[in-house]
Amino acid sequence: AQSVTQLGSHVSVSEGALVLLRCNYSSSVPPYLFWYVQYPNQGLQLLLKYTSAATLVKGINGFEAEFKKSETSFHLTKPSAHMSDAAEYFCAVTKGGGYQKVTFGTGTKLQVIP
Amino acid sequence: DTEVTQTPKHLVMGMTNKKSLKCEQHMGHRAMYWYKQKAKKPPELMFVYSYEKLSINESVPSRFSPECPNSSLLNLHLHALQPEDSALYLCASSQVGTESYEQYFGPGTRLTVT
Repeated sequence: AQSVTQLGSHVSVSEGALVLLRCNYSSSVPPYLFWYVQYPNQGLQLLLKYTSAATLVKGINGFEAEFKKSETSFHLTKPSAHMSDAAEYFCAVTKGGGYQKVTFGTGTKLQVIP
Repeated sequence: DTEVTQTPKHLVMGMTNKKSLKCEQHMGHRAMYWYKQKAKKPPELMFVYSYEKLSINESVPSRFSPECPNSSLLNLHLHALQPEDSALYLCASSQVGTESYEQYFGPGTRLTVT
């Protein structure tokens, strides 16, 4: 069974500050990991994904995440927060193959303070 | 074209009504998904279709009836819903294969049951 845990349901940062959203995973097989973003009343948009090709993954909008097997973590970072980054962020895991039964974390709401 | 479309955007229905939600994608994806998302919660998987066949039904009540008429279309038929079924219903699609492929989400249908 796979699961992800997102630490912090709410994170507040000042505009221009570092964004760090935490995600830890549990998986009995090598996992495939994703970060999705959801703006109010919209669907989910993929930010980035880890599929074992590289441990440091760069995504859209300046976000990146590093896969650390020893820490079972896949934290999302962005060097400088922008007001438009305010949204809900979901970490997700799947074991891959066939169709994708994805397990989502509980989400972290990012607030950006001007 | 990397878009998943959903209609209608909003739907209000009474508990005795019958309505349908529609989802369409033209990315050649052979897996399609229905999710239910309550406020401040992650999406919950309801159904998965793989190659137009129902592959997963996450113990969803029979008042929700999915249908996949062809590889581009996915419907969710609703009948005799309860107020607690009010939620954002998201459709997604993905490739099917040995690797892990991200899911592409539609904007959702906001359903209110009165």
